[in-house]
Amino acid sequence: QVQLVQSVAEVKKPGASVKVSCKASGYNFMRYGISWVRQAPGEGLEWMGWITTYTAKTFYARKLEGRVTLTTDTTTSTAYMELRSLRPDDTAVYYCARREDTNMVTFMDVWGQGTTVTVSS
Amino acid sequence: DIQMTQSPSSLSASVGDRVTISCRSSQTITTFLNWYQQRPGKAPSVLISAASNLQSGVPSRFSGSGSGTDFTLTISSLQPEDFATYYCQQSYSTPYTFGQGTKVDFK
Repeated sequence: QVQLVQSVAEVKKPGASVKVSCKASGYNFMRYGISWVRQAPGEGLEWMGWITTYTAKTFYARKLEGRVTLTTDTTTSTAYMELRSLRPDDTAVYYCARREDTNMVTFMDVWGQGTTVTVSS
Repeated sequence: DIQMTQSPSSLSASVGDRVTISCRSSQTITTFLNWYQQRPGKAPSVLISAASNLQSGVPSRFSGSGSGTDFTLTISSLQPEDFATYYCQQSYSTPYTFGQGTKVDFK
């Protein structure tokens, strides 16, 4: 079945970096982009950006630009999200999601289970 | 950035109730509007795309309408599994912003 499986929870100190992985299976990885969304404790959803798996073109939320990098490894059908210079307010559950983009309709149709990243000294 | 505003932020309802959630965008997004459901401790899942397209496997009691700047998600007869938080999201232009969410809980 189509699924995205994310890496396990991480605990990081302020100023460090984290890299979350998202392994896809059950579909042609190259046919869909991957989006990233995060959710701070008790808060709503925040769109972080997305990457085209075919050309590796990236689009980032302005507030994260410069600190976040999205990449993919097409040989293993895995997407990665790296966030640098971590701050306590980066503490959140990070989700990857498959981007469906058909006839100009764009939405996230398959989601990973989420990876909790805790930033604390 | 396009701002998305949902109302209400929360509502209390009973099984069988008709529930309506509104979403307004700060500028026109035609029908580039998606609705997601998130149950506690779970990842979101898409209910409706392009304002009114019900996704495969989603019960027909869910429906979406609207265009331009004003959109509505309707649950015709609330079921126990529908108690969750609902988010609208615009896919008109990046960043693809979400509304703040509407929590539906038991009356």
